[in-house]
Amino acid sequence: QVQLKETGPGLVQPTQTLSITCTVSGFSLTSYYMQWVRQTPGKGLEWMGFIRSGGSTEYNSEFKSRLSISRDTSKNQVFLKMNSLKTEDTGVYYCARSGYGSYTFDYWGQGVMVTVSS
Amino acid sequence: DIQMTQSPSFLSASVGDRVTINCKASQNINKYLNWYQQKLGEAPKRLIYNTNNLQTGIPSRFSGSGSGTDYTLTISSLQPEDFATYFCLQHNSFPYTFGAGTKLELK
Repeated sequence: QVQLKETGPGLVQPTQTLSITCTVSGFSLTSYYMQWVRQTPGKGLEWMGFIRSGGSTEYNSEFKSRLSISRDTSKNQVFLKMNSLKTEDTGVYYCARSGYGSYTFDYWGQGVMVTVSS
Repeated sequence: DIQMTQSPSFLSASVGDRVTINCKASQNINKYLNWYQQKLGEAPKRLIYNTNNLQTGIPSRFSGSGSGTDYTLTISSLQPEDFATYFCLQHNSFPYTFGAGTKLELK
């Protein structure tokens, strides 16, 4: 069955870089888009960006200057990297599967909590 | 950016009640609207996609409707497992945007 699981550092210092991995099973990354969404106390749910089945990316301009999404299809993993972290980046980060038609944001991981604090 | 105004923010109801949750978009989103249920510590679960399509495995007491800028999620007869937070997502145009959520509580 389709499964997604995010893993991350838990605590990150301000100005540092956040790295989160989404490991998937039950489907191929070459057939679906993979989205990143976060939920923060200040702004609620925010779409961050995605990587297409072909490997190209699209980012929310809110994050574009400091966000990078990549993947390793051989390991069934998608990566989020965001630099210059601030305390307001504290929140839960989710990956979600997506595609055309009926597949938009159909399955989500349970999320990983990230706290930005010194 | 398209703003999604979700209402109400909180809803207190009883088992068996019929409830509706609304999302209003700041511009036409062409029915590209999904509804999700979220419970604490769990992955969001898609209930409805593209306004009125029921996700496989979701009970038929959940339904969606709407067009243009106004969309509604209806739960026809609340069950104990339905007390959770619900949110909408528009995927018509970038950046995709979400409603602020509705917390459905037991009265």
